[in-house]
Amino acid sequence: KAGVTQTPRYLIKTRGQQVTLSCSPISGHRSVSWYQQTPGQGLQFLFEYFSETQRNKGNFPGRFSGRQFSNSRSEMNVSTLELGDSALYLCASSLGFREDEQYFGPGTRLTVT
Amino acid sequence: AQKVTQAQTEISVVEKEDVTLDCVYETRDTTYYLFWYKQPPSGELVFLIRRNSFDEQNEISGRYSWNFQKSTSSFNFTITASQVVDSAVYFCALLIVNTGFQKLVFGTGTRLLVSP
Repeated sequence: KAGVTQTPRYLIKTRGQQVTLSCSPISGHRSVSWYQQTPGQGLQFLFEYFSETQRNKGNFPGRFSGRQFSNSRSEMNVSTLELGDSALYLCASSLGFREDEQYFGPGTRLTVT
Repeated sequence: AQKVTQAQTEISVVEKEDVTLDCVYETRDTTYYLFWYKQPPSGELVFLIRRNSFDEQNEISGRYSWNFQKSTSSFNFTITASQVVDSAVYFCALLIVNTGFQKLVFGTGTRLLVSP
């Protein structure tokens, strides 16, 4: 069974630009969660999608948004990029039941210059 | 509020030594789940174990073992006879279980360096 895939793996953007990251979950998984990992703040929850609906959102500004498609693939968008948005963005998928373990993708490393 | 504390920022050991990674959590919920993940240099978080709040049995899987103690709100992870391949950052996480959503709260991680 293929794991969680994320594209692109690496990205360099300039302040003020916007970026879209993509995540394909494990087949059969309906929940996709996004996390931001930085040296200063560690791993922080961004949001979770289940069956195309956002179920929960972390404490991030509105510049961070996402969506999920009918095939459970998810995209995350960050508008008006800031230097502080440089991070490793991790996507995780699960069946979606409350206690399920989440399986993580390799991440997208975003660098904002 | 939910919180996970991994007080050890970095641990260095020599191969074949045993090492214990500490994890202390805070939650007011009676039902919760605890996880350990391993993050090798490649960046991907690898699931190691899940434990629910009603199961305090210790678990052993090969060289890995976990000690869950609700009385001290701890979920410690021991690697026996460590190997160089164990070098990674290890995260303890608390799963918030609520109506309709999942959210993992992570500790800050412990970097384990195993030298030959």
